[in-house]
Amino acid sequence: SQQGEEDPQALSIQEGENATMNCSYKTSINNLQWYRQNSGRGLVHLILIRSNEREKHSGRLRVTLDTSKKSSSLLITASRAADTASYFCATGRRALTFGSGTRLQVQP
Amino acid sequence: EAGVTQFPSHSVIEKGQTVTLRCDPISGHDNLYWYRRVMGKEIKFLLHFVKESKQDESGMPNNRFLAERTGGTYSTLKVQPAELEDSGVYFCASSQTEFTGELFFGEGSRLTVL
Repeated sequence: SQQGEEDPQALSIQEGENATMNCSYKTSINNLQWYRQNSGRGLVHLILIRSNEREKHSGRLRVTLDTSKKSSSLLITASRAADTASYFCATGRRALTFGSGTRLQVQP
Repeated sequence: EAGVTQFPSHSVIEKGQTVTLRCDPISGHDNLYWYRRVMGKEIKFLLHFVKESKQDESGMPNNRFLAERTGGTYSTLKVQPAELEDSGVYFCASSQTEFTGELFFGEGSRLTVL
């Protein structure tokens, strides 16, 4: 079974709105990472949050981590059409494991 | 600095044929990973090299898949003979650190088995 599982599977919003994606995982972690994949391209690392951190910011991205609930959320503020992509969380002690991703569509 | 490069970007083969995918990691990255995504499902781990050694190949689906990393540089993933369910996108990634730091991904090799 997959370690990281994103929710929702798909999300469609208007430009300027905020997008929130959630991730649940099963085992203990050292850190959790979020990646973005534009259609037909490779995955790009967005942000890493360590297990002793609760919140982290990077530009328009805000990531939270709740290790007691084994969950994380990724918030993209003031979304743009260019944010349209699939977003994955990833965890693992040696090799990262990914979920199925959230497909985000930002309508211009 | 060049990123992770993968070749071919797309391969279409008949069931039973052989395909070899190649990955060139970022120079100096000892860790090289192969992943696969089938039909929009989760991205599944296949295996992990540290230099030329297989550190973890627990994700390799069966013995039709063979991965090598010659001299700890580029890696190849051979599928022989290919089956319909092998269709998907095969991603290669590399990293400097072994313990789940940031991975740098190639753009993937799309395999279509007819």
